[in-house]
Amino acid sequence: NAGVTQTPKFQVLKTGQSMTLQCAQDMNHNSMYWYRQDPGMGLRLIYYSASEGTTDKGEVPNGYNVSRLNKREFSLRLESAAPSQTSVYFCASSERPMMVSTDTQYFGPGTRLTVL
Amino acid sequence: AQSVTQLDSQVPVFEEAPVELRCNYSSSVSVYLFWYVQYPNQGLQLLLKYLSGSTLVKSINGFEAEFNKSQTSFHLRKPSVHISDTAEYFCAVSDQNAGNMLTFGGGTRLMVKP
Repeated sequence: NAGVTQTPKFQVLKTGQSMTLQCAQDMNHNSMYWYRQDPGMGLRLIYYSASEGTTDKGEVPNGYNVSRLNKREFSLRLESAAPSQTSVYFCASSERPMMVSTDTQYFGPGTRLTVL
Repeated sequence: AQSVTQLDSQVPVFEEAPVELRCNYSSSVSVYLFWYVQYPNQGLQLLLKYLSGSTLVKSINGFEAEFNKSQTSFHLRKPSVHISDTAEYFCAVSDQNAGNMLTFGGGTRLMVKP
């Protein structure tokens, strides 16, 4: 099992460019999450998907969109990148949604994004 | 809203010495508590968690943490660290009154020196 995989590992964008971060999990988990990690601030939830076909906003959703393509894949899109979106982005998954369980979240290796 | 404070951003320690990484959170009502570890260039991994029952929880690699409701703390300890413990450690709180959303602290970088 690869667990949670993310592509790309690194990306540099210019202000205003768009891109999609990809995430896939092979653990047959129902729930998936996108976080951003900024120095000294820990991780903050951007969006989550409790189950296939549903998505909800987290703590910091502005400037992002998500798509739960199928049970395995959950993508994060930046339509018009801004320097404030420079961060490390982590995807995670869990068997059941966080609202109804304390199932462990399993994290991918992250995507380091720089917006110039 | 919940907040989580990790008082030390960096903790240097010599190999085989004991270590304590501190974590305090803002509210003790209906919370679950977690410690995650992030090794260089990797994602976060769950180290241990407190859900209910015994206030002392342990990991398989010798770490332990104690839930202290009166002090709203969940400090992480290890009696003797190894070089391989060098990593960043994140405390997180799941608030049952906020849909169990995880709130993370800012992280503590543990640097174990030979």
